[in-house]
Amino acid sequence: DIQMTQSPSSLSASVGDRVTVTCQASQDINTHLNWYQQKPGKAPNLLIYDASNLETGVPSRFSGHGSGTDFTFTISSLQPEDFATYYCQQYENLPLTFGGGTRVEIK
Amino acid sequence: EVQLVQSGTEVKKPGESLKISCKTSGYSFTGFWISWVRQQPGKGLEWMGTIYPGDSDTRYSPSFQGQVTISADKSITTAYLQWSSLKATDTAMYYCGRHGTYPNWFDPWGQGTLVTVSS
Repeated sequence: DIQMTQSPSSLSASVGDRVTVTCQASQDINTHLNWYQQKPGKAPNLLIYDASNLETGVPSRFSGHGSGTDFTFTISSLQPEDFATYYCQQYENLPLTFGGGTRVEIK
Repeated sequence: EVQLVQSGTEVKKPGESLKISCKTSGYSFTGFWISWVRQQPGKGLEWMGTIYPGDSDTRYSPSFQGQVTISADKSITTAYLQWSSLKATDTAMYYCGRHGTYPNWFDPWGQGTLVTVSS
């Protein structure tokens, strides 16, 4: 199985801050990496697919980069509605695997 | 609009069986993979398995192989997740999610089904 190591597991930030989350795969996954946002009590929501493609309707302050084993997810200017947990997910191979999540909290 | 609507909250006892559903609409059910994902209380997301309703090709995570059964009914465009004998550790929120023509990203997701297993 491909292991996805996501960091940090949590962070505190203020509105307007730039936030970056990293995800490292245990083997080369090309650009087969997606990012999701999950708010409490809700299903996850796709933000970024194939490492860097912004899902339709998702604000442009969200972005993703990377290929191979190292990936980053960035919120350029944190908004109040962005406080949530974020997950990466690889689809290079089955089983599909997720990172452990990053909880973004209000400072 | 593509929609996945899941069945409601379940409260069961250990050893009981259960089948939860994911009713789809707004697209060609047989042309896209559907997966199930578990989220235990306060924990992250775990992929359980996936099915291609077009030919019922089903793949399971090794962690869930033999523990659950995934199926689909093309006539009512619905996917299912079932257990033959629930355990307390099956207490979790379960989500279905649609993929593309192969298991890639999840979009959209169902709203989730909460399963509580307690004596």
